[in-house]
Amino acid sequence: DAGVIQSPRHEVTEMGQEVTLRCKPISGHNSLFWYRQTMMRGLELLIYFNNNVPIDDSGMPEDRFSAKMPNASFSTLKIQPSEPRDSAVYFCASSFVTGTGINYEQYFGPGTRLTVT
Amino acid sequence: QQPVQSPQAVILREGEDAVINCSSSKALYSVHWYRQKHGEAPVFLMILLKGGEQKGHEKISASFNEKKQQSSLYLTASQLSYSGTYFCGTERDSGNTPLVFGKGTRLSVIA
Repeated sequence: DAGVIQSPRHEVTEMGQEVTLRCKPISGHNSLFWYRQTMMRGLELLIYFNNNVPIDDSGMPEDRFSAKMPNASFSTLKIQPSEPRDSAVYFCASSFVTGTGINYEQYFGPGTRLTVT
Repeated sequence: QQPVQSPQAVILREGEDAVINCSSSKALYSVHWYRQKHGEAPVFLMILLKGGEQKGHEKISASFNEKKQQSSLYLTASQLSYSGTYFCGTERDSGNTPLVFGKGTRLSVIA
């Protein structure tokens, strides 16, 4: 299996521009998570989906951030407009959830390093 | 609600042992441990459910004390490949809540 795929791996953009990050989860996984990692705040959950439905988006910083999962094999995280404080590494992770719980082994993608100047 | 990890960083020589602690102010249902090497993605190590069980992964094991709301990760006879940042993720006792990760413990193993 190719694992979780993210693109782009690096993104440099100017303040005010729109940024779209993409993720392809592992085939067969039914949960998808978007995280942001910074030195100051560590690894923060932004949003997670179960069976393509957003379940908890309380970690999304503000209205500038939005995420979609139109099908089981693709998700996007969009920032519009971007700001320098959005600079971070953004990880996508997927998991196969069974039963009633939601927390099982998560497989992380390689991440997208975003720099907003 | 973010769990607190200690120490923040530790340097070991090959063959030495280390303990990394993860404490929460909330009752926990499970604790998850991940390791992230520099420039790479976090990789799953193990999950511990409440019940005080201990698990092992190679020479890395962990315990979970639900009464103390803490978990400890034990690295025995460390190897160079153990270097990286170790994160604990905690799930609250109410269950079905997303993991909250600690800020990590940076472990450096030197020859």
